[in-house]
Amino acid sequence: DADVTQTPRNRITKTGKRIMLECSQTKGHDRMYWYRQDPGLGLRLIYYSFDVKDINKGEISDGYSVSRQAQAKFSLSLESAIPNQTALYFCATSEGQGETDTQYFGPGTRLTVL
Amino acid sequence: GQNIDQPTEMTATEGAIVQINCTYQTSGFNGLFWYQQHAGEAPTFLSYNVLDGLEEKGRFSSFLSRSKGYSYLLLKELQMKDSASYLCAVLDSNYQLIWGAGTKLIIKP
Repeated sequence: DADVTQTPRNRITKTGKRIMLECSQTKGHDRMYWYRQDPGLGLRLIYYSFDVKDINKGEISDGYSVSRQAQAKFSLSLESAIPNQTALYFCATSEGQGETDTQYFGPGTRLTVL
Repeated sequence: GQNIDQPTEMTATEGAIVQINCTYQTSGFNGLFWYQQHAGEAPTFLSYNVLDGLEEKGRFSSFLSRSKGYSYLLLKELQMKDSASYLCAVLDSNYQLIWGAGTKLIIKP
């Protein structure tokens, strides 16, 4: 079984709709992250959480919100989706600092906003 | 600002050697990672360097020079399955990963 899972894997939605992307992990890591990836721009951090009570904004948090329901679960919400949020979204986890901060990624969610 | 530069695309021949360069300017340094990402898939960890020098892992090696803000990933005995994007990322002083845009490596027979 995969250590980091994301649901859904693909989603097509319309402008203005609220959607939630979910991430679960069985690695036992405290740290979880949400990224988006756009062609030519690399990975950009949306939000990150170092434990259940710790939520931090990343580089591009506007238009997004998150919830850390448990150590193993970290959800990303788009309150009112817009077309420029069309992207590939990745969840990742890591254990600590230095080499242990190696991030392990879920398979990604391809989101299209029409 | 923080910046990581990598070539956008490189082409190499099966069986050959290729070097992918990465230069960085970040607020602090706590290590440099290389990841491999096949098209449409998740990035996967390849290597981590925090001290100057060369780290070798089978066909892949990674080099770091902190004074020059420079790293490279060396891939030997290239195989078709090595066709992928290679991402350079630096852990800054706040332990945030700063990502490069990636280098798309095309392997030709």
